[in-house]
Amino acid sequence: EIVMTQSPAALSVSPGERVTLSCRASQSVSSDLVWYQQKPGQAPRLLIYGASTRATDIPGRFSGSGSGTEFTLTISGLQSEDFAVYYCQQFNNWPLTFGGGTKVDIK
Amino acid sequence: EVQLVDSGGGLVQPGGSLRLSCAASGIVLRRYAMSWVRQAPGKGLEWVSASSGGGDTTYYADSVKGRFIISRDNSRNMLLLQMNSLRAEDTAVYYCAKAGYSSGWFDGWGRGTLVTVSS
Repeated sequence: EIVMTQSPAALSVSPGERVTLSCRASQSVSSDLVWYQQKPGQAPRLLIYGASTRATDIPGRFSGSGSGTEFTLTISGLQSEDFAVYYCQQFNNWPLTFGGGTKVDIK
Repeated sequence: EVQLVDSGGGLVQPGGSLRLSCAASGIVLRRYAMSWVRQAPGKGLEWVSASSGGGDTTYYADSVKGRFIISRDNSRNMLLLQMNSLRAEDTAVYYCAKAGYSSGWFDGWGRGTLVTVSS
């Protein structure tokens, strides 16, 4: 099983700041990596697939990069609606595995 | 617009069974791989099981293998999850999720149904 590790577990950010979230895979997953956003009481929402392609209707302030074992999600100019938990997930191998999540809250 | 409505959750005793359903609208379900993903209270996401579009290929997490069965009724546009021998650690919100271009990631989610395993 591929273990996905996200860091940091939580961070406090002021609106307008740039945020970079990290996700590391225990072995290479090529570019088979997606990012989701989840707000309290809601289902996850797809943000990025293929490590760097924004999903439909996702604002341009969200960007993803990386390949192999190291990935990042960057939010440029954090807005109030972006405070949430972010998860990465690999689909290179079964079983599908998620990272533990990074909670982004307001400073 | 794709809509997924999960249902069937509830309170069940350890060792009991429950069947979850996911009704899809706005899509032809047989064209898409589907999965169940769960989230224990206050915890992260855990993939549970996947089914190919035709239902002929299925995958399971080790934690549920031999106890859960994923299936689909494509004529009714529904995804199902039969959960047997339930344990306290199966307590979670269960989401059905529609696969995107690849069968391994999800661009549509149900709102979730809560399963509580407790005596």
